[in-house]
Amino acid sequence: QSVLTQPPSASGTPGQRVTISCSGGSSNIGSNTVVWYQQLPGTAPKLLIYRNDQRPSGVSDRFSGSKSGTSASLAISGLQSEDEADYYCAAWDDSLTWVFGGGTKLTVL
Amino acid sequence: QVQLQQSGPGLVQPSQTLSLTCAISGDSVSSKSAAWNWIRQSPSRGLEWLGRTYYRSRWSNNYALSVKSRITVNPDTSKNQFSLQLNSVTPEDTAVYYCARSGDLGVLDYWGQGTLVTVSS
Repeated sequence: QSVLTQPPSASGTPGQRVTISCSGGSSNIGSNTVVWYQQLPGTAPKLLIYRNDQRPSGVSDRFSGSKSGTSASLAISGLQSEDEADYYCAAWDDSLTWVFGGGTKLTVL
Repeated sequence: QVQLQQSGPGLVQPSQTLSLTCAISGDSVSSKSAAWNWIRQSPSRGLEWLGRTYYRSRWSNNYALSVKSRITVNPDTSKNQFSLQLNSVTPEDTAVYYCARSGDLGVLDYWGQGTLVTVSS
């Protein structure tokens, strides 16, 4: 049972915009920033978004993040087949631990 | 560029100790702006942060409550690496284990390649 709540699956067609939600609580998302990771099969998670809406160097601007209260969202615009992956949200919790969402499997139809 | 290289056995017997090492290149385990973490991933538990070690004016650790009585994360400054020890393992500890750095961005930014550890006799 993950601390942060994500939908298990999402899908879209090429070129579409999809969003993935992440819900937490006052001790994690409510008081700290949100991080998003992309995980391709057999590989480690890759940092996609940090501090709610910041992209590391090299990450496409098709990926964007937002946060409101104890919830956050990841948006992917201009969906491409290579975006098919698992996406995880994460946040630092005031109990001095990292907490994660259960992951959302994105399918490009 | 920071790189983390994991090593350790892929099979551990029940009740024994799981031991993994993460070798660091491109940064220092003694960095005052980084922390060195262990995370695991399994189908039943998802991504689960286990613990970290970091140096500011002294060495400190934080551990997840779920494993706090069984875990030790230690730095090795002579080899620029850090390690995970998880005692009294059961089949529920079967997972892919990752080491990761949290650096200047304050997030888990660089990850090791992952090690599948199976607990079985």
